[in-house]
Amino acid sequence: ILNVEQSPQSLHVQEGDSTNFTCSFPSSNFYALHWYRWETAKSPEALFVMTLNGDEKKKGRISATLNTKEGYSYLYIKGSQPEDSATYLCAFIHYGNNRLAFGKGNQVVVIP
Amino acid sequence: NAGVMQNPRHLVRRRGQEARLRCSPMKGHSHVYWYRQLPEEGLKFMVYLQKENIIDESGMPKERFSAEFPKEGPSILRIQQVVRGDSAAYFCASSPGQSQETQYFGPGTRLLVL
Repeated sequence: ILNVEQSPQSLHVQEGDSTNFTCSFPSSNFYALHWYRWETAKSPEALFVMTLNGDEKKKGRISATLNTKEGYSYLYIKGSQPEDSATYLCAFIHYGNNRLAFGKGNQVVVIP
Repeated sequence: NAGVMQNPRHLVRRRGQEARLRCSPMKGHSHVYWYRQLPEEGLKFMVYLQKENIIDESGMPKERFSAEFPKEGPSILRIQQVVRGDSAAYFCASSPGQSQETQYFGPGTRLLVL
C-alpha cells in the first residue's frame, strides 16, 4: 500500500494572499509525482509531472517543488484568486508500475 | 482534439444488474487507466490497459469486475451483479505512453446502485 498524505486537508485563503500545501509520499523507489487540479463537476486537470529531485515547475501563479530524498512536494499558489478554488491532488508513481496512487487532496477555497 | 470521453455520465442500477461503463481515450492514446472514487475517499487505481491487453489489474476486485480495451472501440469497465457498495464515481484516464507522462482524465461516470 502506497500512502500519499496531503495536508492540510482543506484551507480557506483570502483573495490576494499566497498559500502552500504539502504532499508526502514514500521516498523509496520513486518514479514520478503528478499534481492535478480538480474543480467540482469537472475532470481532474493535469498541472505538473515531476521526476527529478530538486525539480521546480511553474504554471502561471502556481508552482511546485519536489524532494524525492525526503519524500515531499510543495504546491504554492501566489496571489490567490477565486478561480483557484479547487481540490489539488498529488499522485505518486512507484518505480516498476504505472498506476497513480492519489492522496485525498488539498481543498482550497479562495474568499473574495 | 476531443478529450477523454466517458459515458454514461450517470448510471442507476438495481442490485443484481450489470453496469457497463465506457471510456474513449484521447486521439492517439493507447494507454487507458480506470480509477474509482468511493464516497469520502480519494481516487483509487483499478486497472491499466493497453490495446487488447490488461497490463495491471491489481486494484480491481477479483469478482464481478472486468475490463477490456479492444482493438477497435472504447474501453469498457463491466460490473456484474452490482451491489450497493459499488456506488461510486468511476474515472477513466488515458496517456500516449509510459507512466511518467501525464494521464488525462475523463469527466467520470457516477454509478448509483439502488
